[in-house]
Amino acid sequence: DVKVTQSSRYLVKRTGEKVFLECVQDMDHENMFWYRQDPGLGLRLIYFSYDVKMKEKGDIPEGYSVSREKKERFSLILESASTNQTSMYLCASSFDRAPEAFFGQGTRLTVV
Amino acid sequence: AQSVTQPDIHITVSEGASLELRCNYSYGATPYLFWYVQSPGQGLQLLLKYFSGDTLVQGIKGFEAEFKRSQSSFNLRKPSVHWSDAAEYFCAVHGGGADGLTFGKGTHLIIQP
Repeated sequence: DVKVTQSSRYLVKRTGEKVFLECVQDMDHENMFWYRQDPGLGLRLIYFSYDVKMKEKGDIPEGYSVSREKKERFSLILESASTNQTSMYLCASSFDRAPEAFFGQGTRLTVV
Repeated sequence: AQSVTQPDIHITVSEGASLELRCNYSYGATPYLFWYVQSPGQGLQLLLKYFSGDTLVQGIKGFEAEFKRSQSSFNLRKPSVHWSDAAEYFCAVHGGGADGLTFGKGTHLIIQP
């Protein structure tokens, strides 16, 4: 079975903190994605990566950055967390240009 | 760019009744189509997918979906719902590029006893 693991299920951080959300996949997938999920807005793409050290902005990249130093790991970074970044964050991975994506369990981040 | 519309934000169905969740997409060619389900506090689980061929596709948990090119629709159906089907359902489209899936805003399914 494909496994996409997000390091935390729940996080509570203070405004202004630097926050790291980690995601690891075990299927040697080329593509990895970070989505943000908010009620009534569905899932919105923040960043994606199609190769090690490569990254592309999604639909809502402002306030976020990413890092992909190894193929299996994709990190989402909130440089200075703000309350409007309180949300559910979902990581996903897929083979190169393959349509089907596999999702992690999600990290519910609360910024206070 | 592709887009997905799920017209129903909430749907309430009695246990044992049939279900249809609507999904319309906008894309220049035939896209890859998906339905995912999300139980409370969980990630997304793939219910079914359409790539090509037979326009009626079967998925897990007794769900099926029908691709209708003329209507740009990919509606999800189940003949008899169970209380465990209460969840958020997302329709998604993939245009074949590297930028992944585009999701609808989701439909929240409530099951009445």
